[in-house]
Amino acid sequence: QKEVEQDPGPLSVPEGAIVSLNCTYSNSAFQYFMWYRQYSRKGPELLMYTYSSGNKEDGRFTAQVDKSSKYISLFIRDSQPSDSATYLCAMKTSYDKVIFGPGTSLSVIP
Amino acid sequence: EADIYQTPRYLVIGTGKKITLECSQTMGHDKMYWYQQDPGMELHLIHYSYGVNSTEKGDLSSESTVSRIRTEHFPLTLESARPSHTSQYLCAGAAGDEQFFGPGTRLTVL
Repeated sequence: QKEVEQDPGPLSVPEGAIVSLNCTYSNSAFQYFMWYRQYSRKGPELLMYTYSSGNKEDGRFTAQVDKSSKYISLFIRDSQPSDSATYLCAMKTSYDKVIFGPGTSLSVIP
Repeated sequence: EADIYQTPRYLVIGTGKKITLECSQTMGHDKMYWYQQDPGMELHLIHYSYGVNSTEKGDLSSESTVSRIRTEHFPLTLESARPSHTSQYLCAGAAGDEQFFGPGTRLTVL
């Protein structure tokens, strides 16, 4: 079993939809959780970073962490065509390296 | 935007050739990383460095080598390229837990 699981998609939604992206993990020692966005032929860029259970909001993006269920989510409100990208979840323990999920490919259709 | 530069962006080369992928940064990050990414797959850490003259192998076995003679540069070298090395190579620098990625080098070995 991989440490971090993520549905690869592809996920296709109409413009304006609410998007939900999810990851599950098996290592209960993970304490820091991140979401990266990767456009085609570019490197990933950090979108959200959190280290506690609960919600963290930044504009149209909300990151949610449920440590008891080992489950994290990224919600995108009012999705735009410019949100079309691959979204990678990532996480780490307090002392170890970052582990990335395989990414979910998202297309927002105008 | 983080300043992580990678050259070349694209490289097509024949089997057996020696190649060096360049990575440089202007932010003074002590931590730098090399990842390998295949389509639809998670990033695999192949090398990392926590400072000058410090290099470690990552989780994914790789026939490449790295050096860190200066803080700004973290080149990756393949002594004898093979078709199995065909992939995207991403370099990153880190401030704390946040990693800043370069645009990547897409390598094709014929």
